[in-house]
Amino acid sequence: QVQLVESGGGVVQPGGSLRLSCAASGFTFSSYGMHWVRQAPGKGLEWVAFIRYDGSNKYYADSVKGRFTISRDNSKNTLYLQMNSLRAEDTAVYYCAKDLAAAATSIFDYWGQGTLVTVSS
Amino acid sequence: DIQMTQSPSTLSASVGDRVTITCRASQSISSWLAWYQQKPGKAPKLLIYKASSLESGVPSRFSGSGSGTEFTLTISSLQPDDFATYYCQQYNSYSFVTFGQGTKVEIK
Repeated sequence: QVQLVESGGGVVQPGGSLRLSCAASGFTFSSYGMHWVRQAPGKGLEWVAFIRYDGSNKYYADSVKGRFTISRDNSKNTLYLQMNSLRAEDTAVYYCAKDLAAAATSIFDYWGQGTLVTVSS
Repeated sequence: DIQMTQSPSTLSASVGDRVTITCRASQSISSWLAWYQQKPGKAPKLLIYKASSLESGVPSRFSGSGSGTEFTLTISSLQPDDFATYYCQQYNSYSFVTFGQGTKVEIK
């Protein structure tokens, strides 16, 4: 069965950096686009970033563009999110999510359990 | 950016009720709309995509309809497991994915 397991969350000071990982199993990771989606405490969902199955194209929400970098290692079945210049408003649970189809659709059919990032001094 | 507006924000209903949630887009998104269910402390779960296609394994009491700018999610007979928050999501393009603000379905 498909499993996505995020790690790397924690408490970081404003201006700091953090790298999230998402270990994937149960499907052919190298054939699917992957996303990061976040949810601030008590708030709704916000799409963060997308990477094509082969890493050739990446897209970001305006709120994180220039500060966050999505990447993947298909040999390790792992998705990453490098977060720099963190702000208080980046505090959220970060989910990795699998795209429904091999040709990216931005429909999220499987989600990880999430990892909490708290930006606070 | 395309804005998605759900109504109502909160809905109180009883087991067995027919429940309808509406989602409106600020411009036409054709049928590029999905619905998700989220329970407290859990990740969202895909219910419906392409406005009306039921995801595999989702009970048939869930249905979606609409196109253009107005969409609905209907639960034909509310079950105890259905009390949750529901989100619509437009996916008109990779870089312009937006969610509605959510509709919480509570026990009446």
